[in-house]
Parts: sequence; C-alpha cells; structure tokens
Amino acid sequence: QVLLQESGPGLVRPSETLSLTCTFSGGSISRSYWNWIRQSPGKGPEWLGYISPIGSTDYNPSLTNRVSISQDTSRRQFSLYLYSVTAADTAVYYCARLQGGSWYLDLWGRGTLVTVSS
Amino acid sequence: EIVLTQSPATLSVSPGESATLSCRASQSVGGNLAWYQHKSGQAPGLLIYDASTRATGIPDRFSGSGSGTEFTLTISSLQSEDFAVYYCHQYNKWPRTFGQGTKVEIK
Repeated sequence: QVLLQESGPGLVRPSETLSLTCTFSGGSISRSYWNWIRQSPGKGPEWLGYISPIGSTDYNPSLTNRVSISQDTSRRQFSLYLYSVTAADTAVYYCARLQGGSWYLDLWGRGTLVTVSS
Repeated sequence: EIVLTQSPATLSVSPGESATLSCRASQSVGGNLAWYQHKSGQAPGLLIYDASTRATGIPDRFSGSGSGTEFTLTISSLQSEDFAVYYCHQYNKWPRTFGQGTKVEIK
C-alpha cells in the first residue's frame, strides 16, 4: 500500500520561503509523477506543479516563477519550495501521485496546514 | 486554463436518498475527468476517473457520466459515510484544475 505524508513548518513569515517535504512509502516509483496541490480557505484545490520520474518539472503559470519542486528518490521524498510568500499563500498543502499513462491523481496525502503570518 | 464549475454548492440529502452532482467545464475536456471525495482531516480519495470508471474498491452506488463539458456524479442510496465534499478535476490540459466542490450534508 502506497502512503504519502507531508511534513514541514506550519508557520512561515511573509517574504520568506515555504518548504515542505512529502515522503512516500510502498509501491513502484518508476511511473510516478509527484504533485503538489493546495487549498486555500473557502476555495477549491489548486494544482501547483509536478516532478516526473526523470526529474523534469512543470508548474502552474499562476505562480509566476515562485515555485520549484525537487526529489530525492533514494529517500523516497520530494519537496516543494514556494518563494516570497504572502498571506495569500496560507493554505492546506497536499502531495499527490499521478501515474504516467493514466494521468489522473490517484493517491493523496492528508495535507498539512501552512499559515503565512508575521 | 479550464474552469470547472460545480453545482450545487451544498446538497442536503436524507440517508437512503440519491444525490446528483454536476460539473461543467469551460471547454471540452473529453473524458478526462475525475471525481474525489474529501472528508475533513483525511486525504482526498479517488472515486471516479475517465468520467465514468469507478476506482478500485469504490461501491457501485457511485456512478459518473458525461463527456466534453458536462459531467455528473450520482450517489444512489446515500450512506452515512458518504456525507463529505466532492470535487471534480480535469486532467485533459495543463494546468490541471479542480471545481470548487459540492458539500453533501445530512438533511
């Protein structure tokens, strides 16, 4: 059984960098694209980006170059970095898996709340 | 980007009754639409993919239909564990997008 678990600080100061890690256990990673999604209060989920099995990335254009995703396959982890955060970045952040060939998100973590505040 | 509009925002249903949830896309997504169930504090769970295919382990009281821009999730004979928020999600084009959600609550 594949499980995903997000971890990281629950509070980030404005203008600083939000950094989260997702650890995955179980299952094959050869076809897995690892995604980050967030949900701000009162809004629907927003897809932030993914990293592919070969390390290529794609991001939501709405984030205007403030985001990056990296992975450490040896530790079965991938990470989200969101730069120059503001209060509008306060949200629950989820990691999720997409498998190449099927393209829908088939597995999510429980999410972690990140609040941006001084 | 493709905008997904879900309706209604909230649906009040009695246990044992059926619920019909709608998702409309601002442009065609073909059959590349999924539905998720989300309960507070839990991981969202995949219910339906490819518009009408139930995910592994999902009971047959959940059914999806539609193509192009109009999609429906039907839950027949609602059970207590079905009261949750439901989201549609398109994976036809990047960036991937989601609807705002429909909350199914106990009447």
